[in-house]
Amino acid sequence: DSGVTQTPKHLITATGQRVTLRCSPRSGDLSVYWYQQSLDQGLQFLIQYYNGEERAKGNILERFSAQQFPDLHSELNLSSLELGDSALYFCASSVSGLSGNTIYFGEGSWLTVV
Amino acid sequence: AQSVTQLDSQVPVFEEAPVELRCNYSSSVSVYLFWYVQYPNQGLQLLLKYLSGSTLVESINGFEAEFNKSQTSFHLRKPSVHISDTAEYFCAVTDSNYQLIWGAGTKLIIKP
Repeated sequence: DSGVTQTPKHLITATGQRVTLRCSPRSGDLSVYWYQQSLDQGLQFLIQYYNGEERAKGNILERFSAQQFPDLHSELNLSSLELGDSALYFCASSVSGLSGNTIYFGEGSWLTVV
Repeated sequence: AQSVTQLDSQVPVFEEAPVELRCNYSSSVSVYLFWYVQYPNQGLQLLLKYLSGSTLVESINGFEAEFNKSQTSFHLRKPSVHISDTAEYFCAVTDSNYQLIWGAGTKLIIKP
């Protein structure tokens, strides 16, 4: 158990819909990351937050947005969903977000868009 | 820009045989290097990392990796694999902005 909690574990939704994925980082970790893992694109970094502020942005689509709240939990919002958004979405956290930190991953949220 | 290459998408190996998973990166300037492992139906977890010091780093379950600056490599090795090592292994390297750049992953398939 990494200490990173993600909900929901699985969800199925229709194209065009919007979903919110939730993440609670490890106790004491200030930085949160979101990743997308799919068969065709592999592991893709989406976005990183540190203590409520956006720190780095990766391959995140404009239809997707995220935020980190004062209690350090984070949400990833996916809207206007397309079939190609079906993937495993990981949240991860680290103590400070510095480059040498170990990143701890949650077990992921499986999103299926039908 | 930094890039990471894991040339082998799958590596099949017999149980108790040695294995090497290859990782090459494009720039050797001030890099930190990591291997993460993803067991079936789980998230990724750190296997080992190189930040500085000895170029040979070891994990608690018998894996080791050597930082080779001249060859810009960080290959992962284990002298004798077990069925429980079945997983996907990801190499990652920091870029000049200290963001992690990930390889495409290598699936280690253990044959009984």
